[in-house]
Amino acid sequence: GQNIDQPTEMTATEGAIVQINCTYQTSGFNGLFWYQQHAGEAPTFLSYNVLDGLEEKGRFSSFLSRSKGYSYLLLKELQMKDSASYLCAAMDSNYQLIWGAGTKLIIKP
Amino acid sequence: IAGITQAPTSQILAAGRRMTLRCTQDMRHNAMYWYRQDLGLGLRLIHYSNTAGTTGKGEVPDGYSVSRANTDDFPLTLASAVPSQTSVYFCASSTTSGSGNEQFFGPGTRLTVL
Repeated sequence: GQNIDQPTEMTATEGAIVQINCTYQTSGFNGLFWYQQHAGEAPTFLSYNVLDGLEEKGRFSSFLSRSKGYSYLLLKELQMKDSASYLCAAMDSNYQLIWGAGTKLIIKP
Repeated sequence: IAGITQAPTSQILAAGRRMTLRCTQDMRHNAMYWYRQDLGLGLRLIHYSNTAGTTGKGEVPDGYSVSRANTDDFPLTLASAVPSQTSVYFCASSTTSGSGNEQFFGPGTRLTVL
């Protein structure tokens, strides 16, 4: 079956760094997406990885290891506005996204 | 209109009633999707459309139907609502259904079936 695993909740301190992990099992693989979703709002796109390695985009970076079925999202210099849920989604062989349940990130001052 | 709009924002519905959730995008995207989001679960795909005139079933299609008469609109219909269809429904679109194309989401419809 197809499955995405990510932690349910994480807590971090303002100004710190946090890493949110995601493991995936899909029928075929066409890339890994990360989305941010604030409470009561729609998901918004953060990053896409299809090749192994690290993609950096400002304070956010995303890493992919296809051989391990593993990705992480790294958030640096955390700000209070980063409090949100972070959704990991893998694209399968039919180009459909399989979504994790999301990681709720709580930022404390 | 800018992006994707959904209507209504929220709705309380009696079980057994018919309901259509509306979705419109102005980005000329070929692909559109309907998801439901439930607490503790990931987004689950209900139906999708790769291009106007075509539709396909996702992971949880039972009890729902869609149509794609044109590029911009992708309505989702619940023929006879049941309480298990209480959820937040998101419509999304992407340029195409292929690899790497990010999906843009509408603001969602919060539906409660009593």
